[in-house]
Amino acid sequence: EPEVTQTPSHQVTQMGQEVILRCVPISNHLYFYWYRQILGQKVEFLVSFYNNEISEKSEIFDDQFSVERPDGSNFTLKIRSTKLEDSAMYFCASSEQGGTGELFFGEGSRLTVL
Amino acid sequence: GQQLNQSPQSMFIQEGEDVSMNCTSSSIFNTWLWYKQDPGEGPVLLIALYKAGELTSNGRLTAQFGITRKDSFLNISASIPSDVGIYFCAGQDTSGTYKYIFGTGTRLKVLA
Repeated sequence: EPEVTQTPSHQVTQMGQEVILRCVPISNHLYFYWYRQILGQKVEFLVSFYNNEISEKSEIFDDQFSVERPDGSNFTLKIRSTKLEDSAMYFCASSEQGGTGELFFGEGSRLTVL
Repeated sequence: GQQLNQSPQSMFIQEGEDVSMNCTSSSIFNTWLWYKQDPGEGPVLLIALYKAGELTSNGRLTAQFGITRKDSFLNISASIPSDVGIYFCAGQDTSGTYKYIFGTGTRLKVLA
């Protein structure tokens, strides 16, 4: 069964360092998302991406964050200068249809900022 | 911003019991999704609802899209230990964007 895959599963970094989280969405999906979940809290929307551009971003997704689809399969989230409060699980998700499509999530990348 | 409130926040039940949880909002949603999340893993889609009033089942799970489009409930019948986890609702708003907003979650613990 097709699935969303994410790497790395866990990354530890020093505050101020750049981090890139990678995702391979389901192959025939067109809409891509990043969500964040701080430990013990709900899943929060960060950004949606369609047709090679951001379609919406939340207030969490400030100038330190960027997304890119560098090729036909990967979808990346970059945090330029990490802060302690960026420590969280980051989930990539994809959907075949943006309007009413079902959203499928990866297993997540745990980011720990020291 | 839009918020989805889930209740109960957590619940302990005996194995074999039925479980009911709901998700409410002051805003209207076009689509409701229900997810289960195990510790350290990503949310797994359980049921998708697309029309007001729709009632959909997936094995022991049944979910309904509220007539007002502001709520949804999830029922689990004859619970088993592997039902333990956090259940999230997610709603897709009517603003024309593609994002889903997640609820606050219901933590389910099943006592064998």
